[in-house]
Amino acid sequence: EDKVVQSPLSLVVHEGDTVTLNCSYEVTNFRSLLWYKQEKKAPTFLFMLTSSGIEKKSGRLSSILDKKELSSILNITATQTGDSAIYLCAVDDYKLSFGAGTTVTVRA
Amino acid sequence: DAGVTQSPTHLIKTRGQQVTLRCSPKSGHDTVSWYQQALGQGPQFIFQYYEEEERQRGNFPDRFSGHQFPNYSSELNVNALLLGDSALYLCASSSDLQETQYFGPGTRLLVL
Repeated sequence: EDKVVQSPLSLVVHEGDTVTLNCSYEVTNFRSLLWYKQEKKAPTFLFMLTSSGIEKKSGRLSSILDKKELSSILNITATQTGDSAIYLCAVDDYKLSFGAGTTVTVRA
Repeated sequence: DAGVTQSPTHLIKTRGQQVTLRCSPKSGHDTVSWYQQALGQGPQFIFQYYEEEERQRGNFPDRFSGHQFPNYSSELNVNALLLGDSALYLCASSSDLQETQYFGPGTRLLVL
């Protein structure tokens, strides 16, 4: 059975801190790994990673995939209160298998 | 460009009843996937529709069924509702050319 594990489950930081979220996976037919941000309802797409070692960046967010270690990290630098959300990791093996998410709380 | 839309936004049902949830995909997308997200958990894959056929199915009982229409919109039907069916139901659309799935706002179902 496909398995996606995220850590930590939750964390609290102060504005300006850097956050690193982890995702590890075991799936049968890996196609890509995706990161989503969920604030209230709809998860919003952040990154899709298919190749190992290539960093994807968007502003203060970045992510990298390690296919050898079957893992990925999502970094958020200079955190702001608007970064408070649940961050979901999903692996696409012709369907999306999600982890339980990491709840990030950024305090002013 | 309208994103993925879902209706209704909220729904309250009682045990044993049946419910139908609706989803319209993002413009240009032909594939619709449904997910169930219980409180405190990540979304769980229910099934995926492409060309009006169920292409793949997750580990959900037959009480969960769906349909895709020629305009690519989709319905999720749940029969004989159980208390444990209370969750946020998310629809996501994608295309075979661009695989990234984009999610709708979800329907929050409460079964009493």
